[in-house]
Amino acid sequence: AQTVTQSQPEMSVQEAETVTLSCTYDTSESDYYLFWYKQPPSRQMILVIRQEAYKQQNATENRFSVNFQKAAKSFSLKISDSQLGDAAMYFCAYKEGHNDMRFGAGTRLTVKP
Amino acid sequence: DVKVTQSSRYLVKRTGEKVFLECVQDMDHENMFWYRQDPGLGLRLIYFSYDVKMKEKGDIPEGYSVSREKKERFSLILESASTNQTSMYLCASSLGHQETQYFGPGTRLLVL
Repeated sequence: AQTVTQSQPEMSVQEAETVTLSCTYDTSESDYYLFWYKQPPSRQMILVIRQEAYKQQNATENRFSVNFQKAAKSFSLKISDSQLGDAAMYFCAYKEGHNDMRFGAGTRLTVKP
Repeated sequence: DVKVTQSSRYLVKRTGEKVFLECVQDMDHENMFWYRQDPGLGLRLIYFSYDVKMKEKGDIPEGYSVSREKKERFSLILESASTNQTSMYLCASSLGHQETQYFGPGTRLLVL
């Protein structure tokens, strides 16, 4: 089964600075989807950004962008101009075809004022 | 906006009780999922459903069952709750197989 690894259990960033969260995955497929989800404390998990593997261009959503390295099976999330509201658990996820979505263990991001 | 709701935010049950967790989505999504979330383990799939009255086992179905009598509602049942089922339970739905999953707020279950 495909596995997703987030090697950073916790990260911290100063407000207004930039932080990068790491994610690697294991697959033999060429067509799949990758996601970053955000789970604020005691709040609903929401989608941050999504990347289709067949697209070479990295996805971007406002201050959030990804660095998708298909050959290296790496999918990192960059948060620019960090805000206090960015503090949350971030989960990387992989989905291929009809198979289950696979999640990493999560990275807890703290934003320091 | 997609809305996924779960019947309870917090639940305390005793060992051996039968527990029902309800999930409702309002966007006519075909697919619905139940996960449990534990620290350091991420989200693990318990069961999912791609259609009414249809269910498939996920990674950790033991001790759980599900019911999907209507498209918008997906219930998770703990037939006889045990302390190792203390966890956060998340429901999700999606329109298609490749589509983004939308999550409910979660139910934090404590089994004493």
